[in-house]
Amino acid sequence: GENVGLHLPTLSVQEGDNSIINCAYSNSASDYFIWYKQESGKGPQFIIDIRSNMDKRQGQRVTVLLNKTVKHLSLQIAATQPGDSAVYFCAESYGQNFVFGPGTRLSVLP
Amino acid sequence: DADVTQTPRNRITKTGKRIMLECSQTKGHDRMYWYRQDPGLGLRLIYYSFDVKDINKGEISDGYSVSRQAQAKFSLSLESAIPNQTALYFCATSGSSGSIQETQYFGPGTRLLVL
Repeated sequence: GENVGLHLPTLSVQEGDNSIINCAYSNSASDYFIWYKQESGKGPQFIIDIRSNMDKRQGQRVTVLLNKTVKHLSLQIAATQPGDSAVYFCAESYGQNFVFGPGTRLSVLP
Repeated sequence: DADVTQTPRNRITKTGKRIMLECSQTKGHDRMYWYRQDPGLGLRLIYYSFDVKDINKGEISDGYSVSRQAQAKFSLSLESAIPNQTALYFCATSGSSGSIQETQYFGPGTRLLVL
């Protein structure tokens, strides 16, 4: 498999439980945030985004929460499935470019 | 068909060789990016291009060069490969809405090994 995800924090959850993955971002001026999912051997895949004028956004089985006071972003996955196993990372944008976090490996237990 | 494609998907080369990684997109996006990914680290920006006549250095451009041959094509070259350039390389594209940043969409990656 890929070398992506070596030495990353790991979150293990039971299938069917909810998952919460956290991300601390660095720049209080960041105004756009994205969560990506990266499966082994694949490129990052967009999951959900949020702009700084919102504090919550929901998608299908996923919710992103933004707390600008403490510069914290979280991704909630409802009813976690085996196919959710992957590395998840956040990205923050200020200006024209993005800064990416190293990611968290989500492992779904049967 | 994939919107963002990269060739080759895997490459092994020797120190000192020149190699080129290619990226093509069918999303019609103006903006294209090259990143590298190393174990335990976030994606790091090498170069980016906001249109065909615009090329900008990213965080780690030393040892790399790029060419934006057309709106849909953006290639990355390693002029003289060295072992610490061994990494996963990703191309990405995004639309543009003036100063508002938009989502980046990634290709499948190229795994490069420099011996």
